[in-house]
Formats: sequence, structure tokens, C-alpha cells
Amino acid sequence: NAGVTQTPKFRILKIGQSMTLQCTQDMNHNYMYWYRQDPGMGLKLIYYSVGAGITDKGEVPNGYNVSRSTTEDFPLRLELAAPSQTSVYFCASSLSGGGTGELFFGEGSRLTVL
Amino acid sequence: LAKTTQPISMDSYEGQEVNITCSHNNIATNDYITWYQQFPSQGPRFIIQGYKTKVTNEVASLFIPADRKSSTLSLPRVSLSDTAVYYCLVGDLAPGKLSFGAGTTVTVRA
Repeated sequence: NAGVTQTPKFRILKIGQSMTLQCTQDMNHNYMYWYRQDPGMGLKLIYYSVGAGITDKGEVPNGYNVSRSTTEDFPLRLELAAPSQTSVYFCASSLSGGGTGELFFGEGSRLTVL
Repeated sequence: LAKTTQPISMDSYEGQEVNITCSHNNIATNDYITWYQQFPSQGPRFIIQGYKTKVTNEVASLFIPADRKSSTLSLPRVSLSDTAVYYCLVGDLAPGKLSFGAGTTVTVRA
């Protein structure tokens, strides 16, 4: 059981470039989430999904897009990268929704936009 | 959405018990209380979850008074490896409302 796997672990982007952060889980969880964490801060929810084909915005969705074509995968797309998107991104999954279940997190993807 | 308030930081020494209290005055009937631990450069890790009274597992205890307006995470006999940020979360089944505040940075000294 690998749990939640994120790639890449590190990436440097130039302003205006685009990229996709990959997230895969092998626990057959319906719920998946993308969070960002700025230095010294807590995690903010970007997007979440309650199952294949169903996604919704979280607290800070601007500048990002997601898709959920399979139960296992939940990629996060950054279009036209900006310095404000410099952050550590965490993907998570859970068996039950919201605050009633355990969130399993990946190791994070550190993104720098210059 | 229940707002949580917890201390920014706490210091302790090896072998002591650490108690972190989280306030959540507007907790809703369907809300659960969950605590996570985060080490530098890692994602948060689930510690414990409860609804009311007391919950204990192999690493921590969670105390919730009858009014559920606060909760206390208790870490018995901490070691240097317990130095981390601890987050208190309150939420129900709604997946889009679960947010992490700034957490409590616990520093354990030798």
C-alpha cells in the first residue's frame, strides 16, 4: 500500500508557465483534496472531489483547475503560474467525508514560481 | 463552519505531559473534533478523533467536556520526536469545509 503519492516533489516554474501536479491514491477512497500551505501557515483547501467525475471549489480555487476521471487520480492544474502560487501543495484522500474521517496526506509538492 | 482557536506555541521537556486546548465555541451538533500532527516537510498525520467525553489511543488522549465548546489533546511523556505542529479541526461530513488553522507549534526540549 503506497497510500497517497504526489509527483513531482519539487518544481521551479517561470511566471506564465503551466504545469500539472499529479496525485494518486491506492486506498479506494472516494474523497480527495488539494491543499496549499504557505510558510508558517495552516493548510488551505483549493479543490476537493467526492468521487470520479465530481469536483468542487474549496477556499482558494483561483488559478487552479482539477479533474477526477478515475477514483485513484486527482491532478491539479496550474495555468499561467504566478509568484503568489509559490507554496507547498498537499494532496489528501479519505474514506468518509469532511471532518468525520481520517485524511491521508501525500508528502507534498514544493512549487516555486520565479 | 466552526472556528477553532488554539495557542500558537507551547514548550515542554522530555518525559512531561503536554496538554493542548482548542476552543470551538460554535461547534455544531454533527461536528467531530480531530487532531493532526505535522512534521516539517511532511503532510499532516491523523492523531485522534472524538465526538464527546474521552477518547484514548496508543499515542494520545482527547478530552471533550459535555458542552463540546473546547477539547484538549493530551500527549503523555513526550519525547524530542514529538516536536511538531498540532492542528485542531472541527467538521461534519461536508468535505469542502474542513480547514486547518495555524496550529500549535510544540517544542520538546531535552
